[in-house]
Amino acid sequence: GQNIDQPTEMTATEGAIVQINCTYQTSGFNGLFWYQQHAGEAPTFLSYNVLDGLEEKGRFSSFLSRSKGYSYLLLKELQMKDSASYLCAVRDSQGGKLIFGQGTELSVKP
Amino acid sequence: DAGVIQSPRHEVTEMGQEVTLRCKPISGHDYLFWYRQTMMRGLELLIYFNNNVPIDDSGMPEDRFSAKMPNASFSTLKIQPSEPRDSAVYFCASSFSLGGALGYNEQFFGPGTRLTVL
Repeated sequence: GQNIDQPTEMTATEGAIVQINCTYQTSGFNGLFWYQQHAGEAPTFLSYNVLDGLEEKGRFSSFLSRSKGYSYLLLKELQMKDSASYLCAVRDSQGGKLIFGQGTELSVKP
Repeated sequence: DAGVIQSPRHEVTEMGQEVTLRCKPISGHDYLFWYRQTMMRGLELLIYFNNNVPIDDSGMPEDRFSAKMPNASFSTLKIQPSEPRDSAVYFCASSFSLGGALGYNEQFFGPGTRLTVL
């Protein structure tokens, strides 16, 4: 079956660093995506990993280990506007289909 | 670019009524996706099209749901008859190609339609 696990919620302090983990078990694998979704809004693309290793994009970095079925999203220098839900999604081998995790609700406190 | 356009933004209807949700993808995008999001089940893919042809509809919950894409700039998701358990936010997303084995297609999401079935 298809299974993607993320923590339900996390809390962090403004200016700090937070790591959001995602583990997956899917029938196929053709890339892992992270999306950000603010309350009442649509998801927006953050990052993509298809090879093992770290991808850095400004304050956000994403890591992938295919052998472990594991990824994390690292957010540095947290800002209040980073309070949102972070969705991990796997694209299965059939191409277009994305399987989303339940999302991690991140609250950034002053 | 205007982004993905969905209408209506909010829909309240009574059980048994027909509901039609509409989507206009970003011009030039050849993939279109319909998702449903609920607190219980998260974000689920219902169906997706490539060049107006349905590719995978395995996520469509039952025969009450149907989707069409008559041309590259318009798609509909219809629920007939609607039931209270269909209450959710329905997102349409579009992307340009899949980019090969190592490439990726960023999916651009519309603002969503919040459906309430009483």
